[in-house]
Amino acid sequence: EIVMTQSPATLSVSPGERATLSCRASQSVSSNLAWYQQKPGQAPRLLIYGASTRATGIPARFSGSGSGTEFTLTISSLQSEDFAVYYCQQYNNWPGTLTFGPGTKVDIK
Amino acid sequence: QVQLVQSGAEVKKPGSSVKVSCKASGGTFSSYAISWVRQAPGQGLEWMGGIIPIFGTANYAQKFQGRVTITADESTSTAYMELSSLRSEDTAVYYCARDLSEWLPHKQGDAFDIWGQGTMVTVSS
Repeated sequence: EIVMTQSPATLSVSPGERATLSCRASQSVSSNLAWYQQKPGQAPRLLIYGASTRATGIPARFSGSGSGTEFTLTISSLQSEDFAVYYCQQYNNWPGTLTFGPGTKVDIK
Repeated sequence: QVQLVQSGAEVKKPGSSVKVSCKASGGTFSSYAISWVRQAPGQGLEWMGGIIPIFGTANYAQKFQGRVTITADESTSTAYMELSSLRSEDTAVYYCARDLSEWLPHKQGDAFDIWGQGTMVTVSS
C-alpha cells in the first residue's frame, strides 16, 4: 500500500499571505495525485487533479505542482474561506488501494 | 449537474451490519466508478473500496476485505456499501464519491469530483 504523508500538520497563516502545503508518497504515483479541501460538516471538495490541474470552478490562487513522490499545494493569497483542512490523495494503483494523506489544517494566525 | 444523494443516519449495535445507499441523479451512472470513503470523528479520510457499475465488480481496500461489500444497481443508478461485523471503531461519516472521468481501459484511477452529503453511522451498544 502506498503511504501518503503531509506536512505540516497545522499551518497558521494570516489572510493575504501565501500558504505552501507538502505531500509525499512512499513510492512514485506519477502525476496521479489530487488535493481536496474540507470544511467542518462538509464533504471534501476537489481542488486539483493530475497533480497540477485545477478542477472546475477552483480559483487561480490554488496551484499544484510535483510528480513522482513529492507534491505541493500553494494558495497564493489566503482568503477567509480558505481556512480548512487539505488532503492529498494518490490514485495511481487502481485496482489497488487508493490512499489519502492525514491532512493539513490551515488556520488563522 | 450530477448529484449523489445518500441514505440517512444509522445507529447500529456492535456485531450487526449496515447498508448505505448512494443514488445518482442528473447524469451518467454506469461508466463512472463510485468509491466509498469514510471519516471517523475528528479524523482523516479513508478509502474503503469502489465499483464500476457497468462491470459490477468491486475493488476493496485490504483493511476492509471480507467485511465490506460494494454493489451497484444500474436500473436505479444507485450504489450501495454494506459493512458487517460492526464495532465501535466503525463509527464514522460514510461518503460515496464519483470519479472525475468515465472509465477507460488501462485507466489508473481518478480523483473524486462529486461527493454525496455523507451518512453518519454510529455503532453503540
